[in-house]
Amino acid sequence: SYVVTQPPSLSVAPGQTATITCGGDNIGIKSVHWYQQRPGQAPALVVYNDNDRPSGIPERFSGSNSGNTATLTISRVEAGDEADYHCHVWESSNDHVIFGGGTKLTVL
Amino acid sequence: QVQLQESGPGLVKPSETLSLTCIVSGGSISSYYWSWIRQPPGKGLEWLGYIYYSGRTNYNLSLKGRVTISVDTSRDQFSLKLTSVTAADTAVYYCARHHGGFGYPEYLQDWGQGTPVTVSS
Repeated sequence: SYVVTQPPSLSVAPGQTATITCGGDNIGIKSVHWYQQRPGQAPALVVYNDNDRPSGIPERFSGSNSGNTATLTISRVEAGDEADYHCHVWESSNDHVIFGGGTKLTVL
Repeated sequence: QVQLQESGPGLVKPSETLSLTCIVSGGSISSYYWSWIRQPPGKGLEWLGYIYYSGRTNYNLSLKGRVTISVDTSRDQFSLKLTSVTAADTAVYYCARHHGGFGYPEYLQDWGQGTPVTVSS
């Protein structure tokens, strides 16, 4: 079955840019969605369909997807961005929902 | 915006069946895909399966036939049953709604708060 891979962790200083990747075979032809999960909370959608933002999500959050890698970019990182980030795709061959393993973003 | 609330026992004995219900409020269960997702302690998200409001289901093959999801449209709720549980099934269980409702389950637009379930004797 389809596998998507995320780095387990990433550390970024406040004000810098965080780049979180989600790798998969030819993932560029799939729609990728991203969720933020703060400690003790349920996941919440931050980017959908590669690069769209739900209402209320700051423009600092953006996404891209090409080739074998999708990317969530958080510009001007703030302390409140510290959370786990999960990518999600739909595998059409099995009609399965697939999650990456999640990336823990630490703001230094 | 729709709200989802999981309910069910927080403790299940090994080899027994885990049963959870997700109550949907602020909107109808009709015309959408609904999923169950779990998260073991300190680990990532695992999709268990989805149900379309019509009753069509699809399950994560890794669960080897242990999972069943059903829907009650008259009460705007859907349920999860996971049989023959072991300690490996200890997790926070979430119900969630997919955006759209045409063709395939799209992104997860709304989530319940999650309910912790421990498998232990």
